[in-house]
Parts: sequence; C-alpha cells; structure tokens
Amino acid sequence: DQQVKQNSPSLSVQEGRISILNCDYTNSMFDYFLWYKKYPAEGPTFLISISSIKDKNEDGRFTVFLNKSAKHLSLHIVPSQPGDSAVYFCAASAGAGSYQLTFGKGTKLSVIP
Amino acid sequence: NAGVTQTPKFRILKIGQSMTLQCTQDMNHNYMYWYRQDPGMGLKLIYYSVGAGITDKGEVPNGYNVSRSTTEDFPLRLELAAPSQTSVYFCASSYRAEQYFGPGTRLTVT
Repeated sequence: DQQVKQNSPSLSVQEGRISILNCDYTNSMFDYFLWYKKYPAEGPTFLISISSIKDKNEDGRFTVFLNKSAKHLSLHIVPSQPGDSAVYFCAASAGAGSYQLTFGKGTKLSVIP
Repeated sequence: NAGVTQTPKFRILKIGQSMTLQCTQDMNHNYMYWYRQDPGMGLKLIYYSVGAGITDKGEVPNGYNVSRSTTEDFPLRLELAAPSQTSVYFCASSYRAEQYFGPGTRLTVT
C-alpha cells in the first residue's frame, strides 16, 4: 500500500519553462513533506520542505505547494535548467521531529536545452 | 566536513556469503538510517537508529542486522546473501526530518 504516490514516472520540459512535479499521499498523519533530488550514482540531496501549517514554501527557483484537503503537493521549478535533470522524490513524515520518512517512487525530470 | 560516507561503492557477493556495509557521518547527528532502492522504486527503510546503542526495524528488515556503538558509525550486516538483496543501499543521518544521504553502495548477489 503506497502511502506516498508520484504517478508520473517521467517528465520532459523545455529549458526556461516551468516544471511541475506532483505527489499525492494517503496517510492523514503526515504533516511534514520534503522533496529530494537525485543524480545517477549519487545519494539523494534535500531540496525543499514544507510543514502542514503552510500551503507554500519558496526557495529561489523552487516552490512547493501543499493542498491538505486534497492530500496533494507539487514542486514547481521556474525557470527550468538542464542541470535540473534528475530524479525527484517526494517524502513525508509524521511530524518535523519524526525520524522516519516515507518516499514516493520518484519522477525523472529531463530539461531539454 | 565529509558528511555521510559509505564503503564500499560496489560489491558482488555470491549467494550465502555475508558482508558488512560501512556508514560513517561526521555531523554529530543522533539519527541514522539504512535504505535500499530497487530499480523504479522509492527508498525503503531497512533499519534506523535514534542514538548510540539504540536501533529499530524499518519496513524491510529481514536478512539484515545493524549495530550502533558510536554516534558516527552505523554498519549494516547482510547474513546469507540472497539474490533478492541485490539493490542500491543508502545510509543517511539527520538531527530532524531533513536527512542527509551518503553516495550509496551498489550490491549484486549472484
């Protein structure tokens, strides 16, 4: 039973345009959400997070939106750059102090120059 | 500051062999974790530790063991390797929800 779902295995976007990666969750206990970026042959790196008390968090070109009623979050990358090409994982935890993350399967983003 | 380091990077094991994957962090994080990632899948938690001397099972602990004698080190032991343990293994550490990952160990069991 997947508690964190990323339904799009892959996404292609032109350089300079917006990339939107989506994530859905089923567990109502999740209240802290994170996005990780992973290049081939490397470990995941933390990108951005959001607490359930917020509906938006922004960091440079990256913005995460949270819709709690729909149990949905999205990562927006504007403008997209070729170096953003990677696999993006959505993860969730039951509290900012929790030590366990549940990961989605990932979405492979390709930014075309 | 090296962050989280893992050794070896690659390993091929025969069925029934044993090995230890090493993980060390230099950030003085209390929490440490072991994940495995199979092709096309997300990361699944094998074991975690909330501090030296304390470990607990994650989602997929069967076939693995861990120990945590120091804050820095969190080795993962595979006993009687099986083909189903072919995967990429990631170690991570954290002091809160944001986890920092090592580069991974690619293990093949044949």
